[in-house]
Amino acid sequence: GENVEQHPSTLSVQEGDSAVIKCTYSDSASNYFPWYKQELGKGPQLIIDIRSNVGEKKDQRIAVTLNKTAKHFSLHITETQPEDSAVYFCAATPSSNFGNEKLTFGTGTRLTIIP
Amino acid sequence: DGGITQSPKYLFRKEGQNVTLSCEQNLNHDAMYWYRQDPGQGLRLIYYSQIVNDFQKGDIAEGYSVSREKKESFPLTVTSAQKNPTAFYLCASSRDRGGISPLHFGNGTRLTVT
Repeated sequence: GENVEQHPSTLSVQEGDSAVIKCTYSDSASNYFPWYKQELGKGPQLIIDIRSNVGEKKDQRIAVTLNKTAKHFSLHITETQPEDSAVYFCAATPSSNFGNEKLTFGTGTRLTIIP
Repeated sequence: DGGITQSPKYLFRKEGQNVTLSCEQNLNHDAMYWYRQDPGQGLRLIYYSQIVNDFQKGDIAEGYSVSREKKESFPLTVTSAQKNPTAFYLCASSRDRGGISPLHFGNGTRLTVT
């Protein structure tokens, strides 16, 4: 099955600086890579996703890059703000099990923005 | 406002008792999911259902049971056979199969068994 590793587990950055979270996956057939943000006491919320036919996707201060050869994808947050403090999860879905795809999640990164 | 409602937010039970966690959605989504979240372990899939009256085991189904009698509802029962039931439980839904379309999560139920 798919295995997703996420680093770092904790990350602290000064407000206004950039934050980068990296994930690697094991199944080369994986084709969908979402990122979720979880605030304290709440459920995760999708913030951005990318499919395997695209190398990069941006949405305002958030971007995701995908390197299929190396089997890794990264979340980039620029001009960080206090409300970016949360736990971030990456996930991947292999396409090898059509009709029964399941997301495999990374173990999460706790991002703290220092004012 | 469409969304996923999980209740209650906090639940306390004695060891040996079964307990049922509620999950309701008004998004008209076909697929629904239950995840368990433990510190440092990410989200692990317990059960999922892609259509009414059908459900599949996830990666950690032992000690849990579900039903899907209505499209809107997907309750999870934590049985006494679950060895370590204390955890944060998340319900989710998706318009299509969850591996290829975004998941919408509820705000979770924190279960404590003593």
